[in-house]
Order: sequence, then structure tokens, then C-alpha cells
Amino acid sequence: ETGVTQSPTHLIKTRGQQVTLRCSSQSGHNTVSWYQQALGQGPQFIFQYYREEENGRGNFPPRFSGLQFPNYSSELNVNALELDDSALYLCASSGEVGVNTEAFFGQGTRLTVV
Amino acid sequence: KNEVEQSPQNLTAQEGEFITINCSYSVGISALHWLQQHPGGGIVSLFMLSSGKKKHGRLIATINIQEKHSSLHITASHPRDSAVYICASTWKGGSEKLVFGKGMKLTVNP
Repeated sequence: ETGVTQSPTHLIKTRGQQVTLRCSSQSGHNTVSWYQQALGQGPQFIFQYYREEENGRGNFPPRFSGLQFPNYSSELNVNALELDDSALYLCASSGEVGVNTEAFFGQGTRLTVV
Repeated sequence: KNEVEQSPQNLTAQEGEFITINCSYSVGISALHWLQQHPGGGIVSLFMLSSGKKKHGRLIATINIQEKHSSLHITASHPRDSAVYICASTWKGGSEKLVFGKGMKLTVNP
């Protein structure tokens, strides 16, 4: 039990639709990172939020966007879904930026785009 | 560019065997993480280390900063150790993101 929960666990969407994935971090963790994991691959960094501001972004198009809220919850939004967006989406919470701290992962949301 | 490589990609072992999983990285890091992922997706952090060696139960993680190499050892392996083991680095020169290897699928047969 990591104390990080994601919802929903599974989701099926149609190409072109929009989706919102949610993550509830551990209390006191001000940093949340989102990753996309395609089948058989390691997770790829999408972006990170620290104290409600974006703090780094990977090589993902602008249709991937996020929000972080003061209550340690966060969202990943994907617009204009494409078939290649089908993947496991993971969020990870950690402490303060600039301090090496352990990352705690949620169980992931498996998104299927048809 | 920070790259993380793992070897082997797949490993099958018999219960009780000593297992070593290797990880190498290309640039200076601030920390190296070993993670475990079971079918279904959830990832659990096993170790975070920046130097030396750490031990937890039957698991031992080591890192050699000069050689940019880390190993995860499993002693007296058990079928419940079957999972994907992933190493990931936090890059010194970049943001706080984790850069992941592709993972190694371990199957321990009874």
C-alpha cells in the first residue's frame, strides 16, 4: 500500500474523445509526476507538478495537460485521443523538489483507445 | 542524454537460486531507484540509493558511481519474486523526473 490512488483503474475511449485521469497523492507530498507506459516498455515521463505549478515536461504534445490541487490530488487530461495513447498511465508522488526522496506510485490507469 | 539500460531483459530461475539484475546509466545521476512491477501495473519502490549498498530482507542493491552501474540481487529466490524489475535514475542535470530502463521480467519456478 503506497498511499497513492488512481482512478479509474480501467477506461475505454474512442479516438478523438477527451479523458481525465485522477491521482490522489500521499498527504504532504508536494510533487506529482505522470508517466505513460506502453506495453513492454518502461514508463516515459509526461510532466511533473510541484506545489500546483508545472515543473518539467517530457516529449509529449500539448494535448496532454495537467493540474495539481492544494489537497494533494492531481489530474492528467488528454484531448483528441489517438490510438497510440493506449497505455498504462502512472502517477508518482514524492516530497520536495531538489531533495532525493522516494517516489510512491499509484496502481495506474489502463487506457484503451479504440 | 540520460539513458538507462538493463540486462538481461528476461530471466527464468528455479526457486532458491541467487539472482542478479544489472543496470547501467549514461550520465551522472543524483539517485538510482529499483522498482518492482507486478502484472496489473502497480509499481513498488524497492530501493533508492546514491552510493554504496542497501539491504532489505532478501534483496540487496549496490551501485558503483565510477562505473555508472547498479545491481539488484535476490537471495533464496521464491516464486512470489516473479515480477518485472525496473531501474530508474534521477538525472543530476535535469528536472526531478525518473528515467526508466525497460525492465527485466523475472520468473521464478517452484
